[in-house]
Amino acid sequence: AQSVSQHNHHVILSEAASLELGCNYSYGGTVNLFWYVQYPGQHLQLLLKYFSGDPLVKGIKGFEAEFIKSKFSFNLRKPSVQWSDTAEYFCAVISGGATNKLIFGTGTLLAVQP
Amino acid sequence: NAGVMQNPRHLVRRRGQEARLRCSPMKGHSHVYWYRQLPEEGLKFMVYLQKENIIDESGMPKERFSAEFPKEGPSILRIQQVVRGDSAAYFCASSREPGGREAFFGQGTRLTVV
Repeated sequence: AQSVSQHNHHVILSEAASLELGCNYSYGGTVNLFWYVQYPGQHLQLLLKYFSGDPLVKGIKGFEAEFIKSKFSFNLRKPSVQWSDTAEYFCAVISGGATNKLIFGTGTLLAVQP
Repeated sequence: NAGVMQNPRHLVRRRGQEARLRCSPMKGHSHVYWYRQLPEEGLKFMVYLQKENIIDESGMPKERFSAEFPKEGPSILRIQQVVRGDSAAYFCASSREPGGREAFFGQGTRLTVV
């Protein structure tokens, strides 16, 4: 069965530190990849997505992610985090013919200390 | 342009009662998806509905759970005879086109069974 792994469950950073959150998926065919963010008390919001083309994807709020097919990875990065980036981050995949279903990782809770 | 609206935000039910969760999709969206997030887990797909039709219910528990998306009104996720293990956050998403690639999420309903 397809699965998505997020290696870091809790991450604590100071403001201005760089961020990289890992995401690996198990499906070997065509994939669509997503990062979502959920700020406290708010809805799940799309940060960025990859369908095809340039494997380096830029999203909102200064986030980017790189699709590395050979490593089955789609890591999320931000060069300098802010206190307002405190949230839970979810990686998700739509794979192959199962185009109706997003398969989510377990999420990473990021706390940024001022 | 209102987003996906879910209500209630929080719902407390005693064991054996029924829970009804509502989801109003974004304007112009006729595709609705329900996901469940159990504690310490990622979101898991439950069901995909188009107006008046269930398209994919492969993630729905076999008993006690049902979903509908009538011609008029919100989509309803219904859980009969709730048990403690049903305590979770239930998220709804909607899209204009079929499939989950362009889905927008609501804030979720947190169900607590006591």
